Amino acid sequence: RKEVEQDPGPFNVPEGATVAFNCTYSNSASQSFFWYRQDCRKEPKLLMSVYSSGNEDGRFTAQLNRASQYISLLIRDSKLSDSATYLCVVRGGATNKLIFGTGTLLAVQP
Amino acid sequence: EAQVTQNPRYLITVTGKKLTVTCSQNMNHEYMSWYRQDPGLGLRQIYYSMNVEVTDKGDVPEGYKVSRKEKRNFPLILESPSPNQTSLYFCASSFVGRNTEAFFGQGTRLTVV
Repeated sequence: RKEVEQDPGPFNVPEGATVAFNCTYSNSASQSFFWYRQDCRKEPKLLMSVYSSGNEDGRFTAQLNRASQYISLLIRDSKLSDSATYLCVVRGGATNKLIFGTGTLLAVQP
Repeated sequence: EAQVTQNPRYLITVTGKKLTVTCSQNMNHEYMSWYRQDPGLGLRQIYYSMNVEVTDKGDVPEGYKVSRKEKRNFPLILESPSPNQTSLYFCASSFVGRNTEAFFGQGTRLTVV
């Protein structure tokens, strides 16, 4: 079983749609959680950290359920510019190591 | 500008010819790491360094070496590259801590023929 699992997609949605991505992680001792965005052939960039209480940044909402070891990302009012791969990332342990899911591809259609 | 700089961006080489990919960061980060990204496998950690002169293996270290003589630099060395090391490589740096953001270099696309 992979340490961080995501649905690879692709998710093809029209502009203006709401789309949700899910992610599960296997290590219950994981300490920090993030969503990164990666455009085609470019470096990953932090989209948002995920906190236990849930957090929102504009059209983006992230949720964490520690009991179920589950992380989600909700994107409202999708824009063409949201088209990218979204990486679920977990950090834990003494090594500060980041563990990446394989990513979910989002394609927003005009 | 805060950044992580990798060089070269693209490299085609032949099997067995030693090469070095450089990585430098200007944010005074203690933690640096190298990843490779392959289709269907995501980003996998090759080596990491918690500070100067402190390096350790990640998940896929075979065929790679690193060094951390200075805080800002973390080169990746392939002593004898093989075709299965053809991949997209990323260097990343961050402060050590739970919620710190990792910054990535622009990537090095390596092809070994």
